[in-house]
Amino acid sequence: EPEVTQTPSHQVTQMGQEVILRCVPISNHLYFYWYRQILGQKVEFLVSFYNNEISEKSEIFDDQFSVERPDGSNFTLKIRSTKLEDSAMYFCASSELAGSSYEQYFGPGTRLTVT
Amino acid sequence: AQKITQTQPGMFVQEKEAVTLDCTYDTSDPSYGLFWYKQPSSGEMIFLIYQGSYDQQNATEGRYSLNFQKARKSANLVISASQLGDSAMYFCAMREGGGADGLTFGKGTHLIIQP
Repeated sequence: EPEVTQTPSHQVTQMGQEVILRCVPISNHLYFYWYRQILGQKVEFLVSFYNNEISEKSEIFDDQFSVERPDGSNFTLKIRSTKLEDSAMYFCASSELAGSSYEQYFGPGTRLTVT
Repeated sequence: AQKITQTQPGMFVQEKEAVTLDCTYDTSDPSYGLFWYKQPSSGEMIFLIYQGSYDQQNATEGRYSLNFQKARKSANLVISASQLGDSAMYFCAMREGGGADGLTFGKGTHLIIQP
């Protein structure tokens, strides 16, 4: 069964450093998403991406964040200058199409720890 | 106002009993989808079940069913014959309309199945 993959599974970085989180969505999916989950809290939407551009973004997704699809398979989330409060689990998801009826398949997550 | 409300932060249930996890939602969009995800202690997000706003029948997937009461704006998850492996966090989520918005999650219910 096809699945979303994410690397690394755990990333530790120092405050102020740039990090890039990587995702490989399911191959025939067209919409890609990033979510984050601060420890013990609910999952929060960050951004959606379609046709090589951002479709929607939340207020959390400020100028420190960027997304890119550098090639035909990878989808990345970059945090330019990490802060302590960026420590969270980051989930990538993909869906075949947009619309309320299309399930989003989640990757296993990358746990980001900012020290 | 919260778009997704899960009023049960934690639940203890005896193995083999049925359990109902509550979820109410708030939207003015006539087209929406409701999702339930399971998050075990390992952290991944596992899709369980989906209900569309126009679906006439309640969704079922194996031991999972969704008690959809549209007028009450509730979408409770029912797990029949609970098992020890059902112990996890359970999140209700909603996606509105036909765009590429991300899912809006509730705060989750921590379900513990006791032998």
